[in-house]
Amino acid sequence: EIVLTQSPGTLSLSPGERATLSCRASQSVSSSYLAWYQQKPGQAPRLLIYGASSRATGIPDRFSGSGSATDFTLTISRLEPEDFAVYYCQHYGRTFGQGTKVEIK
Amino acid sequence: EVQLVESGGGLVQPGGSLRLSCAASGFTLSSYSMNWVRQAPGKGLEWVSYISSSSSTVYYADSVKGRFTISRDNAKNSLYLQMNSLRAEDTAVYYCARVSVERRLAIDYWGQGTLVTVSS
Repeated sequence: EIVLTQSPGTLSLSPGERATLSCRASQSVSSSYLAWYQQKPGQAPRLLIYGASSRATGIPDRFSGSGSATDFTLTISRLEPEDFAVYYCQHYGRTFGQGTKVEIK
Repeated sequence: EVQLVESGGGLVQPGGSLRLSCAASGFTLSSYSMNWVRQAPGKGLEWVSYISSSSSTVYYADSVKGRFTISRDNAKNSLYLQMNSLRAEDTAVYYCARVSVERRLAIDYWGQGTLVTVSS
């Protein structure tokens, strides 16, 4: 069973700063099936990235995904106020990481 | 517009049963595989179950295997989750979610969720 470990647990940043979120798999996985989601309080998650690096429909280009094998990264180039949320990675439509909270510093 | 609307949540005693429903609209349900995903209060997302478009393939998380049953009725545009032998740790918001083959099995649409509380 693949385990996804996200780090850090919480990221404290200011608007305009760059955010780098990590998702590490317990064994090598296909990057084709690695996705990232954003969730705000009281809302359902929203798909940001699929296939490790493809942005979903309507997602701003300040969001980018990269990585392969066991190490994947979600980067938010310049944080906007609406980007403060919890982010999850997911593999093969099933296993989720435990989440990274991006909070305002 | 794609919509997924869950119903059937509520308060149930440990050991009890509950059946969740998800009404799909705005797309052809029979063309998509579907997931149930849950989120315990203040916790992260947990995948629960998967069903293929024709119901030929189903998968369950180890935590619910043998207790939960996923099913669908494409003619009624509906997805279901029968939950038996419920435990306190099953308390969560349950989301119905559409799996996108085009987006490499990512979930491209989610319902708003229905809360299941298991407590005496």
